[in-house]
Amino acid sequence: SQTIHQWPATLVQPVGSPLSLECTVEGTSNPNLYWYRQAAGRGLQLLFYSVGIGQISSEVPQNLSASRPQDRQFILSSKKLLLSDSGFYLCAWSLKVFGRLYEQYFGPGTRLTVT
Amino acid sequence: AQKITQTQPGMFVQEKEAVTLDCTYDTSDQSYGLFWYKQPSSGEMIFLIYQGSYDEQNATEGRYSLNFQKARKSANLVISASQLGDSAMYFCAMRSTGRRALTFGSGTRLQVQP
Repeated sequence: SQTIHQWPATLVQPVGSPLSLECTVEGTSNPNLYWYRQAAGRGLQLLFYSVGIGQISSEVPQNLSASRPQDRQFILSSKKLLLSDSGFYLCAWSLKVFGRLYEQYFGPGTRLTVT
Repeated sequence: AQKITQTQPGMFVQEKEAVTLDCTYDTSDQSYGLFWYKQPSSGEMIFLIYQGSYDEQNATEGRYSLNFQKARKSANLVISASQLGDSAMYFCAMRSTGRRALTFGSGTRLQVQP
Protein backbone atom coordinates (compact mmCIF):
# COMPACT_ATOMS: atom_id res chain seq x y z
CA SER A 1 0.00 0.00 0.00
CA GLN A 2 1.01 3.58 -0.53
CA THR A 3 2.15 5.89 2.27
CA ILE A 4 2.99 9.57 2.24
CA HIS A 5 5.22 11.15 4.86
CA GLN A 6 5.77 14.78 5.75
CA TRP A 7 8.15 16.38 8.19
CA PRO A 8 8.40 18.21 10.39
CA ALA A 9 4.90 17.99 11.83
CA THR A 10 5.10 21.45 13.36
CA LEU A 11 7.50 24.32 12.88
CA VAL A 12 7.90 27.77 14.41
CA GLN A 13 10.22 30.04 12.47
CA PRO A 14 11.07 33.76 12.71
CA VAL A 15 10.36 36.14 9.85
CA GLY A 16 13.22 36.19 7.38
CA SER A 17 14.46 32.70 8.16
CA PRO A 18 14.71 29.93 5.53
CA LEU A 19 12.27 27.05 5.19
CA SER A 20 12.51 23.47 4.03
CA LEU A 21 9.60 21.06 4.21
CA GLU A 22 9.98 17.53 2.93
CA CYS A 23 7.51 15.03 1.56
CA THR A 24 8.15 11.45 0.50
CA VAL A 25 5.85 8.83 -0.97
CA GLU A 26 6.24 5.07 -0.62
CA GLY A 27 4.60 2.23 -2.49
CA THR A 28 4.15 3.87 -5.88
CA SER A 29 6.34 5.14 -8.66
CA ASN A 30 6.17 8.17 -10.94
CA PRO A 31 3.31 9.84 -9.08
CA ASN A 32 2.04 13.36 -9.55
CA LEU A 33 3.00 15.37 -6.47
CA TYR A 34 1.38 18.49 -5.05
CA TRP A 35 1.95 21.10 -2.35
CA TYR A 36 -1.13 22.78 -0.90
CA ARG A 37 -1.53 25.41 1.80
CA GLN A 38 -4.52 25.73 4.08
CA ALA A 39 -5.12 28.96 5.95
CA ALA A 40 -6.95 28.66 9.27
CA GLY A 41 -10.58 27.61 8.75
CA ARG A 42 -10.32 27.62 4.97
CA GLY A 43 -10.08 25.22 2.06
CA LEU A 44 -6.84 24.28 0.36
CA GLN A 45 -4.90 26.30 -2.19
CA LEU A 46 -2.57 24.56 -4.62
CA LEU A 47 0.95 25.99 -4.53
CA PHE A 48 3.00 23.66 -6.74
CA TYR A 49 2.63 20.43 -8.64
CA SER A 50 5.11 18.10 -10.28
CA VAL A 51 4.65 15.44 -12.93
CA GLY A 52 8.24 14.18 -12.75
CA ILE A 53 11.78 14.68 -11.46
CA GLY A 54 12.83 18.29 -11.90
CA GLN A 55 9.43 19.28 -13.37
CA ILE A 56 7.74 21.89 -11.20
CA SER A 57 4.77 24.09 -12.00
CA SER A 58 3.73 27.00 -9.82
CA GLU A 59 0.10 27.92 -9.35
CA VAL A 60 0.49 31.00 -7.19
CA PRO A 61 3.31 33.59 -7.30
CA GLN A 62 4.97 33.85 -3.91
CA ASN A 63 8.29 33.67 -2.14
CA LEU A 64 8.09 29.88 -1.96
CA SER A 65 9.72 27.38 -4.30
CA ALA A 66 9.53 23.63 -4.79
CA SER A 67 11.88 20.96 -6.01
CA ARG A 68 11.65 17.28 -6.88
CA PRO A 69 15.12 15.81 -6.68
CA GLN A 70 13.92 12.20 -6.69
CA ASP A 71 10.86 10.43 -8.07
CA ARG A 72 9.08 10.22 -4.74
CA GLN A 73 10.51 13.23 -2.93
CA PHE A 74 9.01 16.72 -3.00
CA ILE A 75 10.50 19.67 -1.14
CA LEU A 76 8.98 23.06 -0.37
CA SER A 77 11.42 25.87 0.36
CA SER A 78 11.75 29.53 1.06
CA LYS A 79 14.81 31.72 1.41
CA LYS A 80 13.06 34.28 3.64
CA LEU A 81 9.78 33.57 5.38
CA LEU A 82 7.02 36.15 5.66
CA LEU A 83 4.32 36.34 8.33
CA SER A 84 1.78 35.52 5.63
CA ASP A 85 3.50 32.16 5.03
CA SER A 86 1.99 30.81 8.24
CA GLY A 87 -0.44 27.99 7.63
CA PHE A 88 -0.93 24.27 7.28
CA TYR A 89 1.06 22.76 4.42
CA LEU A 90 -0.10 19.54 2.89
CA CYS A 91 1.68 17.36 0.38
CA ALA A 92 -0.36 15.07 -1.84
CA TRP A 93 0.15 12.47 -4.53
CA SER A 94 -2.01 10.99 -7.25
CA LEU A 95 -1.76 8.29 -9.86
CA LYS A 96 -0.89 9.25 -13.40
CA VAL A 97 -3.32 7.14 -15.35
CA PHE A 98 -5.31 8.28 -18.34
CA GLY A 99 -9.04 7.72 -18.25
CA ARG A 100 -10.31 9.13 -15.00
CA LEU A 101 -9.59 11.85 -12.55
CA TYR A 102 -7.88 10.04 -9.74
CA GLU A 103 -8.16 11.27 -6.20
CA GLN A 104 -5.25 12.92 -4.48
CA TYR A 105 -3.98 11.38 -1.27
CA PHE A 106 -2.68 13.73 1.37
CA GLY A 107 0.08 13.52 3.92
CA PRO A 108 -0.31 14.40 7.61
CA GLY A 109 0.70 18.02 7.01
CA THR A 110 3.11 20.53 8.55
CA ARG A 111 1.80 23.34 10.70
CA LEU A 112 4.04 26.37 10.14
CA THR A 113 3.93 29.43 12.36
CA VAL A 114 6.02 32.40 11.34
CA THR A 115 6.69 34.77 14.25
CA ALA B 1 -13.36 29.25 -13.40
CA GLN B 2 -14.45 26.56 -10.99
CA LYS B 3 -16.20 27.14 -7.71
CA ILE B 4 -17.43 24.89 -4.91
CA THR B 5 -20.03 26.14 -2.45
CA GLN B 6 -20.74 24.51 0.89
CA THR B 7 -23.48 26.50 2.59
CA GLN B 8 -23.49 24.68 5.94
CA PRO B 9 -20.64 25.93 8.15
CA GLY B 10 -21.69 23.53 10.91
CA MET B 11 -23.99 20.54 11.32
CA PHE B 12 -25.09 18.45 14.28
CA VAL B 13 -26.33 14.88 14.05
CA GLN B 14 -27.27 12.26 16.60
CA GLU B 15 -25.24 9.08 16.70
CA LYS B 16 -26.66 6.34 14.42
CA GLU B 17 -28.66 8.82 12.35
CA ALA B 18 -27.99 9.76 8.72
CA VAL B 19 -26.79 13.22 7.71
CA THR B 20 -26.51 15.02 4.37
CA LEU B 21 -23.77 17.56 3.73
CA ASP B 22 -24.52 19.92 0.85
CA CYS B 23 -22.23 20.81 -2.00
CA THR B 24 -22.93 22.75 -5.17
CA TYR B 25 -20.41 23.44 -7.88
CA ASP B 26 -19.95 25.67 -10.86
CA THR B 27 -17.90 24.84 -13.92
CA SER B 28 -18.09 25.22 -17.66
CA ASP B 29 -16.06 22.04 -18.19
CA GLN B 30 -17.81 18.92 -19.43
CA SER B 31 -15.49 16.35 -17.90
CA TYR B 32 -14.78 16.64 -14.20
CA GLY B 33 -14.64 14.73 -10.97
CA LEU B 34 -16.15 15.48 -7.60
CA PHE B 35 -14.50 14.42 -4.36
CA TRP B 36 -15.25 14.47 -0.67
CA TYR B 37 -12.55 14.65 1.97
CA LYS B 38 -12.69 14.38 5.74
CA GLN B 39 -10.34 16.43 7.90
CA PRO B 40 -10.28 15.42 11.58
CA SER B 41 -8.68 17.64 14.20
CA SER B 42 -5.30 16.04 13.46
CA GLY B 43 -5.33 17.88 10.13
CA GLU B 44 -4.85 15.06 7.67
CA MET B 45 -7.15 15.14 4.63
CA ILE B 46 -8.75 11.74 4.19
CA PHE B 47 -10.26 10.84 0.82
CA LEU B 48 -13.80 9.49 1.16
CA ILE B 49 -15.54 9.19 -2.19
CA TYR B 50 -15.33 10.11 -5.89
CA GLN B 51 -17.96 10.79 -8.55
CA GLY B 52 -17.14 11.29 -12.23
CA SER B 53 -19.25 13.69 -14.26
CA TYR B 54 -20.14 10.93 -16.71
CA ASP B 55 -20.95 8.33 -14.08
CA GLU B 56 -24.63 7.47 -14.29
CA GLN B 57 -24.86 5.88 -10.88
CA ASN B 58 -24.27 7.60 -7.58
CA ALA B 59 -21.02 6.58 -5.93
CA THR B 60 -21.06 4.63 -2.68
CA GLU B 61 -18.26 3.69 -0.31
CA GLY B 62 -19.38 1.88 2.80
CA ARG B 63 -21.42 4.32 4.89
CA TYR B 64 -20.73 7.15 2.46
CA SER B 65 -22.79 7.86 -0.63
CA LEU B 66 -22.76 10.76 -3.01
CA ASN B 67 -26.07 12.15 -4.21
CA PHE B 68 -25.08 13.48 -7.63
CA GLN B 69 -27.57 15.69 -9.46
CA LYS B 70 -25.78 16.92 -12.55
CA ALA B 71 -28.50 19.26 -13.80
CA ARG B 72 -28.58 21.00 -10.44
CA LYS B 73 -24.77 20.89 -10.18
CA SER B 74 -24.96 19.39 -6.74
CA ALA B 75 -22.93 16.60 -5.15
CA ASN B 76 -24.19 16.06 -1.62
CA LEU B 77 -22.50 13.64 0.74
CA VAL B 78 -24.72 11.30 2.73
CA ILE B 79 -23.30 9.61 5.80
CA SER B 80 -25.48 6.80 7.12
CA ALA B 81 -25.46 5.55 10.69
CA SER B 82 -23.27 8.35 12.03
CA GLN B 83 -20.54 7.46 14.50
CA LEU B 84 -18.74 9.63 17.03
CA GLY B 85 -15.58 9.25 14.94
CA ASP B 86 -17.31 10.99 12.05
CA SER B 87 -16.96 14.33 13.86
CA ALA B 88 -14.66 16.36 11.60
CA MET B 89 -14.52 18.98 8.87
CA TYR B 90 -15.78 17.77 5.52
CA PHE B 91 -14.64 19.31 2.26
CA CYS B 92 -16.18 18.99 -1.16
CA ALA B 93 -13.73 19.39 -4.05
CA MET B 94 -13.66 19.13 -7.81
CA ARG B 95 -11.14 18.83 -10.60
CA SER B 96 -11.64 19.02 -14.33
CA THR B 97 -9.77 17.05 -16.95
CA GLY B 98 -6.64 18.95 -17.82
CA ARG B 99 -6.45 20.82 -14.55
CA ARG B 100 -4.01 19.90 -11.83
CA ALA B 101 -5.54 21.56 -8.81
CA LEU B 102 -8.42 20.41 -6.73
CA THR B 103 -10.80 23.28 -6.07
CA PHE B 104 -12.09 23.05 -2.51
CA GLY B 105 -15.15 24.41 -0.80
CA SER B 106 -14.99 26.15 2.56
CA GLY B 107 -15.99 23.01 4.44
CA THR B 108 -18.70 21.87 6.84
CA ARG B 109 -17.93 21.04 10.44
CA LEU B 110 -19.91 17.96 11.47
CA GLN B 111 -20.43 17.13 15.11
CA VAL B 112 -21.91 13.76 16.05
CA GLN B 113 -23.65 13.77 19.40
CA PRO B 114 -24.09 10.67 21.58
